[in-house]
Amino acid sequence: NAGVTQTPKFQVLKTGQSMTLQCAQDMNHNSMYWYRQDPGMGLRLIYYSASEGTTDKGEVPNGYNVSRLNKREFSLRLESAAPSQTSVYFCASSDSGASYEQYFGPGTRLTVT
Amino acid sequence: RKEVEQDPGPFNVPEGATVAFNCTYSNSASQSFFWYRQDCRKEPKLLMSVYSSGNEDGRFTAQLNRASQYISLLIRDSKLSDSATYLCVVNNQAGTALIFGKGTTLSVSS
Repeated sequence: NAGVTQTPKFQVLKTGQSMTLQCAQDMNHNSMYWYRQDPGMGLRLIYYSASEGTTDKGEVPNGYNVSRLNKREFSLRLESAAPSQTSVYFCASSDSGASYEQYFGPGTRLTVT
Repeated sequence: RKEVEQDPGPFNVPEGATVAFNCTYSNSASQSFFWYRQDCRKEPKLLMSVYSSGNEDGRFTAQLNRASQYISLLIRDSKLSDSATYLCVVNNQAGTALIFGKGTTLSVSS
């Protein structure tokens, strides 16, 4: 049981490049989330998917798109990376809604130069 | 008022000390409350849920004061391994997502 997995673990991009961060969970959870974490800012929600087939914006969605590919997978795309998107990105999953524990992946450390 | 506020610390305590963290939240309709723990350069993990009646898990006690919109975490007999950042978490207004505080850093020394 791997829990929540994320790829890649590290990535360096040049300004303007695009990339997709992958996330998968094997706990049969309905809800999945993408966060970014910056020093002094805490975890901020980018997008979430309450259930397969739905996605909603979080606190900081600008510059990102997401796809809930199936129940297991939730990807985050940066279409044109900017230095302000340098951050650590965490994916999480939970049973439906915000009453349940969220399980986090190990994170992707992204640097945009 | 920010949605979830915590004193960032750091709290520096010796082994065996008792330490308490507080957190305030702005949404009076929040129903779900948690403390998460995050080790340096690692992902957050659930430490404990916080119930209205208060709850205890070993050396850790969490309490909720709905009237004051305040959550606390008490750690007794601190261990070196308790050194981490502790995140206060509440659900958003729609009940669909969680809002994380910026965290309180604890450093326990021998």
